[in-house]
Amino acid sequence: GENVEQHPSTLSVQEGDSAVIKCTYSDSASNYFPWYKQELGKGPQLIIDIRSNVGEKKDQRIAVTLNKTAKHFSLHITETQPEDSAVYFCAASIGASYDKVIFGPGTSLSVIP
Amino acid sequence: GAGVSQSPSNKVTEKGKDVELRCDPISGHTALYWYRQSLGQGLEFLIYFQGNSAPDKSGLPSDRFSAERTGGSVSTLTIQRTQQEDSAVYLCASSLGGQDTEAFFGQGTRLTVV
Repeated sequence: GENVEQHPSTLSVQEGDSAVIKCTYSDSASNYFPWYKQELGKGPQLIIDIRSNVGEKKDQRIAVTLNKTAKHFSLHITETQPEDSAVYFCAASIGASYDKVIFGPGTSLSVIP
Repeated sequence: GAGVSQSPSNKVTEKGKDVELRCDPISGHTALYWYRQSLGQGLEFLIYFQGNSAPDKSGLPSDRFSAERTGGSVSTLTIQRTQQEDSAVYLCASSLGGQDTEAFFGQGTRLTVV
């Protein structure tokens, strides 16, 4: 079955610096890769996603890249702000299903003012 | 309401008792998911409902766990004979299904088995 790994497990950056979180997946048929942000005491919230027909997607300070050959994808946050502090989860679809994903173990990001 | 609603928000139960956790998805969402999140851990898939199809129960950890979804809307996750290792946050999410896949999560139910 699908296995998603995520690194690092914790990440501290100075405000204004960039943060990068990397994930790998095992199922070559996966075609949908969402990223979720979970703030303390809340449920995860989708922040950006990418489908397998594109290699990169940007939304303001957030970008995701996808390398299907290597089966890895990354989240890039530029000009980090304290409110970016949260746990970030990557996920990969099970096969080409779109509607069922497996989550990575999460990255706890701390942005230091 | 506008979002996914879960109740109760917190539940403390004695080992061996049964518990029921409720999820009210966003109106019109055909897909509903249950996940378990242990302290400091990721999201463990439990069960998935999509429309009238048979649910995908492949993530349920034991036969003490079961879930229902009545009328294609509200869902109940039941844990029988609770054990201490069942202590976790149980998250419910819903989506429109198909290729419109954004899953909206509730705030979760924190279950503590003592």
